[in-house]
Amino acid sequence: NAGVTQTPKFQVLKTGQSMTLQCAQDMNHEYMSWYRQDPGMGLRLIHYSVGAGITDQGEVPNGYNVSRSTTEDFPLRLLSAAPSQTSVYFCASSRWGSGDNSPLHFGNGTRLTVT
Amino acid sequence: QKEVEQDPGPLSVPEGAIVSLNCTYSNSAFQYFMWYRQYSRKGPELLMYTYSSGNKEDGRFTAQVDKSSKYISLFIRDSQPSDSATYLCAMSPYNQGGKLIFGQGTELSVKP
Repeated sequence: NAGVTQTPKFQVLKTGQSMTLQCAQDMNHEYMSWYRQDPGMGLRLIHYSVGAGITDQGEVPNGYNVSRSTTEDFPLRLLSAAPSQTSVYFCASSRWGSGDNSPLHFGNGTRLTVT
Repeated sequence: QKEVEQDPGPLSVPEGAIVSLNCTYSNSAFQYFMWYRQYSRKGPELLMYTYSSGNKEDGRFTAQVDKSSKYISLFIRDSQPSDSATYLCAMSPYNQGGKLIFGQGTELSVKP
């Protein structure tokens, strides 16, 4: 059982380039989300989705796009990379509902550097 | 001011010590409180979960929530070197699904 799989593990971009961070889960979870983790800032929610065809913004959505065409996949697109987007990006999924019956399962992250 | 505040540490303790990790928050709508553990270069994993106020114990770990003070704690008894990790508190209003608000994380090192 793979859980949440993120690719690539590492990426270096130049300012202005675009790219897509991939996320796939095999647990049939309705809820998927993207977080970024920066030193001293903890994890901040970028975008989330409660099912195929439904997405919404989190705390820090600017500069990122998402789509959810299938239950399994939730790619994150950087439209025009900026140095401020240098971070570690985590994808997470859960069943849709609060509490310990639906904990967030995280991937192992994509480490992105924008020069 | 962030909705959730957590002392980032780092915190270094000898093996066998009792560790206390804490978070404060400002949003009285938070009902679900969690602690995640994150090893280096890995994603966070759920360690403890509590709903509303009260205590929950799981082995060497105890989570406490005091909603009147807007304060949550995680205690680790008989700490082990394998407990060395970053600990993140997280919380959510009722019925907000997985849309968690995280603290900054506390880096813990347990020395043999």
